[in-house]
Amino acid sequence: AQKVTQAQTEISVVEKEDVTLDCVYETRDTTYYLFWYKQPPSGELVFLIRRNSFDEQNEISGRYSWNFQKSTSSFNFTITASQVVDSAVYFCALSDTGRRALTFGSGTRLQVQP
Amino acid sequence: SAVISQKPSRDICQRGTSLTIQCQVDSQVTMMFWYRQQPGQSLTLIATANQGSEATYESGFVIDKFPISRPNLTFSTLTVSNMSPEDSSIYLCSVGARDFSGANVLTFGAGSRLTVL
Repeated sequence: AQKVTQAQTEISVVEKEDVTLDCVYETRDTTYYLFWYKQPPSGELVFLIRRNSFDEQNEISGRYSWNFQKSTSSFNFTITASQVVDSAVYFCALSDTGRRALTFGSGTRLQVQP
Repeated sequence: SAVISQKPSRDICQRGTSLTIQCQVDSQVTMMFWYRQQPGQSLTLIATANQGSEATYESGFVIDKFPISRPNLTFSTLTVSNMSPEDSSIYLCSVGARDFSGANVLTFGAGSRLTVL
């Protein structure tokens, strides 16, 4: 069975600090996909990134970066120079090629204080 | 990506009643799912809505409680039947599209926030 663990329930930082959100996953599949979604206070889920199991190259998009390490089954998300607008709940999710739906972690609530 | 419209956006319901949530997509999609997000919790998959056949339910969810219709490739409904306060949640419709790598990237509607008194 698939499982996604986000051990950090809530993180509070001051603006301009860097913050890393942890995600650890479990799956028996050799091919799978990992995702991060953002859920701002408005409630809508926003897709941030998809990573497949064959590609361990880290990715950077502006202030966001992702570190995928297959050896530790982790897919961590770092926000550099955080801003108040980054305040949201962030979900890590997992799917395989057969199961079309996603399995979500419990989410990490990030609060960025001005 | 697809644009999803969900109705109602929120509602307050009485115990024992039923409510139907509608999900309209602006393009034809093969994969459509219904998720539930209980207060302060993560998203849990209720079922996969299959066009032209019965929905596929996840463990813990049954058709009598959450009947789903999907008459075509752009529309689906989820009914929450005989509601109790424990059904107070956000219900989200999502659609999937395969990207170039074969990954199924889900797009979500804004959700329907139900409060059961």
